[in-house]
Amino acid sequence: GESVGLHLPTLSVQEGDNSIINCAYSNSASDYFIWYKQESGKGPQFIIDIRSNMDKRQGQRVTVLLNKTVKHLSLQIAATQPGDSAVYFCAERRLTGGGNKLTFGTGTQLKVEL
Amino acid sequence: DAGITQSPRHKVTETGTPVTLRCHQTENHRYMYWYRQDPGHGLRLIHYSYGVKDTDKGEVSDGYSVSRSKTEDFLLTLESATSSQTSVYFCATEENSGNTIYFGEGSWLTVV
Repeated sequence: GESVGLHLPTLSVQEGDNSIINCAYSNSASDYFIWYKQESGKGPQFIIDIRSNMDKRQGQRVTVLLNKTVKHLSLQIAATQPGDSAVYFCAERRLTGGGNKLTFGTGTQLKVEL
Repeated sequence: DAGITQSPRHKVTETGTPVTLRCHQTENHRYMYWYRQDPGHGLRLIHYSYGVKDTDKGEVSDGYSVSRSKTEDFLLTLESATSSQTSVYFCATEENSGNTIYFGEGSWLTVV
């Protein structure tokens, strides 16, 4: 069956270093992959997405890489800051007759050490 | 930010009582969703709506019902709350262009 999973539940990085959060997926029919950031006590916040026909997309300090061969997705955060501490979720999106269906992974906790 | 307001933000209720959570949006988005979030499970879709009075089930819909009588409001009802429905509930809306799904701030529900 389909699944979206994360390799590591917790990632600790030093302030200023780059962070890489990984995600595996199994549904080849997904058309978009999305990264969300969730701070404690808040709802998920959209960070960046990537179409399934792309390999790489860059935003402000963030880059998402998609490797369809091995069904792997990663989020790279440059110069990680204390404000980046949060749980990060990857999600795969499939378009259905009733809108877009998101399937989420269980999340990775990013901790930024000063 | 899609102007999503959830209410109540926190609620404690007793087993067997009905509970209704409200999601209100100001962006005239057609699609709306209710998710629940539990440790170890991530976010799971309960129900969704693709228009006024048009709703359908998600992956964990048992014990829940929804209604959408206006574009801006999507209600989630627990007919008879159980302890297994203790969770954080998130409403989400989708841009009409179909590109981005935005989430509300969540409703913390405890069933005792």
